[in-house]
Amino acid sequence: KAGVTQTPRYLIKTRGQQVTLSCSPISGHRSVSWYQQTPGQGLQFLFEYFSETQRNKGNFPGRFSGRQFSNSRSEMNVSTLELGDSALYLCASSRSKSAYGYTFGSGTRLTVV
Amino acid sequence: KQEVTQIPAALSVPEGENLVLNCSFTDSAIYNLQWFRQDPGKGLTSLLLIQSSQREQTSGRLNASLDKSSGRSTLYIAASQPGDSATYLCAVSGAGGTSYGKLTFGQGTILTVHP
Repeated sequence: KAGVTQTPRYLIKTRGQQVTLSCSPISGHRSVSWYQQTPGQGLQFLFEYFSETQRNKGNFPGRFSGRQFSNSRSEMNVSTLELGDSALYLCASSRSKSAYGYTFGSGTRLTVV
Repeated sequence: KQEVTQIPAALSVPEGENLVLNCSFTDSAIYNLQWFRQDPGKGLTSLLLIQSSQREQTSGRLNASLDKSSGRSTLYIAASQPGDSATYLCAVSGAGGTSYGKLTFGQGTILTVHP
């Protein structure tokens, strides 16, 4: 059974550019959540999508956005990159209800220079 | 607002010791609590999931307990091994619409098991 797949694994971008990260959930999982992990702030919730609808959003600026496709694959986009956006971005998938727990991908390491 | 605290922040033990990691949360209205392990630069691996109606879960050398009313969970690791060295994270899933798909994490306990 394939796990949660995130691509790419590593990215280096320049300040002001934009970036798109991809997440393919476990087959049958309809909920996809995104997190940002930094040494100073730890793991912080970005947003969650279920059946192509954003159900929840964390406290991040509008430069951070996402979407989910009909096959449950999700993308997140960060526009006008800042140095502080350098982080490990993790996505997690779950069945329809939170009670089933979450499975995380290996993450995308984004470095902004 | 849910807050999760993990104690200790770091722990170094000799191989073979039994150890306990602690997690506390401020809002008892949770769906479940999940313990994860994270190796440096890697994603999160789920260790144990405890539903809000359960008291404990066991997997191999790991045992996690949950006391929802007091907002506490412990992860017990028996007979620790060097391969257990990692960061251990506790996360709670809140009940209610504003908590959809959201896990609130503690800052983690960095565990080092030396031979």
